[in-house]
Amino acid sequence: DVKVTQSSRYLVKRTGEKVFLECVQDMDHENMFWYRQDPGLGLRLIYFSYDVKMKEKGDIPEGYSVSREKKERFSLILESASTNQTSMYLCASSSRQGARGANVLTFGAGSRLTVL
Amino acid sequence: AQTVTQSQPEMSVQEAETVTLSCTYDTSESDYYLFWYKQPPSRQMILVIRQEAYKQQNATENRFSVNFQKAAKSFSLKISDSQLGDAAMYFCAYRSAYNNNDMRFGAGTRLTVKP
Repeated sequence: DVKVTQSSRYLVKRTGEKVFLECVQDMDHENMFWYRQDPGLGLRLIYFSYDVKMKEKGDIPEGYSVSREKKERFSLILESASTNQTSMYLCASSSRQGARGANVLTFGAGSRLTVL
Repeated sequence: AQTVTQSQPEMSVQEAETVTLSCTYDTSESDYYLFWYKQPPSRQMILVIRQEAYKQQNATENRFSVNFQKAAKSFSLKISDSQLGDAAMYFCAYRSAYNNNDMRFGAGTRLTVKP
């Protein structure tokens, strides 16, 4: 019954490595999001996408990029991982019902990334 | 920019008792949505309850209810008859009615339920 799937629950990478975090949703949602979750800071938006090949920066895009080649898949890319990117990464999706829609986010289980 | 503040990093409650989690927010908008999300130890975030700002009636979902005070910009969550399965991180969130891609989260409150 999982609707938003993140490919990796736990990853350990070395500084400078390129990291791909994959997210797939099966609800035909237009909007997809990548958040970073850190203790005491809550969730902060990295990037979101409202359509295939479309993306917009969130609050903390530095050091990250994204790719959305298919509607169901949204990838987060760390071009050169650094230790300060050690964190929990959450993917979410929502439908696009217009600005007045109370669109609820559906989250994946999260990917815990450790950069050594 | 809108901000969401949860002033209680940790809370605990005895099983079967009632607990209230606090949330305040700052906005100049008149129309928006408020949410409480729950993140159990397995980490998948799920929606607990939501409130539409233009509705005066407080939302209720079974044992979960909110106290929405629009003038005070306060949105607390009350959990009645607490159960062990209620133990989780709880996040308060704000979403503008004018930009449904902009959801703001508080820092979270970790709730412990004691048997």
